[in-house]
Amino acid sequence: NAGVTQTPKFQVLKTGQSMTLQCAQDMNHEYMSWYRQDPGMGLRLIHYSVGAGITDQGEVPNGYNVSRSTTEDFPLRLLSAAPSQTSVYFCASRAGTGTQYFGPGTRLLVL
Amino acid sequence: GENVEQHPSTLSVQEGDSAVIKCTYSDSASNYFPWYKQELGKGPQLIIDIRSNVGEKKDQRIAVTLNKTAKHFSLHITETQPEDSAVYFCAASRVVRGGADGLTFGKGTHLIIQP
Repeated sequence: NAGVTQTPKFQVLKTGQSMTLQCAQDMNHEYMSWYRQDPGMGLRLIHYSVGAGITDQGEVPNGYNVSRSTTEDFPLRLLSAAPSQTSVYFCASRAGTGTQYFGPGTRLLVL
Repeated sequence: GENVEQHPSTLSVQEGDSAVIKCTYSDSASNYFPWYKQELGKGPQLIIDIRSNVGEKKDQRIAVTLNKTAKHFSLHITETQPEDSAVYFCAASRVVRGGADGLTFGKGTHLIIQP
């Protein structure tokens, strides 16, 4: 049981490049979310999904796209990276109204 | 939307003493209040949570209290140990099955346990 996994662990991008941050969970959880963590800001919700085929925006969605084609996977796409997107990104999942589990994070540096 | 304030931002206590971290929230509809511990380079790990139908919950050295009227909740760690050193986050959410999933986090408290 791997829980929530994220790849890559670390990525450097140039401004304007695109990339996809991968997130997978093996707990059959309905709910998955993406957060970003910046110094002094805590964690902020980017997008979330309440089930396959259903996504919605969180607090800071601009510049990010998501899709949920399967229960297990919830990728986060940066279409045109900007330095303001330099951050640590965490994926999380939960079942019903239960505990939210976080992945180990992806550190992204945009130059 | 929900707003969560967390204090203090840094807390230094002597090993063996107690530590208290406080949070306030703004949305009276919030019904779920977890606390997470984050060690350097790792993702947040749930250490304890409380739902709005409960006033207090304990798990060994850790306890959380909730005052719904005042809209604040606190984390209490007794007999602190060096391994308690970390950043602690409180969060609040209105969790309903089939509804919005997002937690609103406080900005974190860096707890330092002095030997």
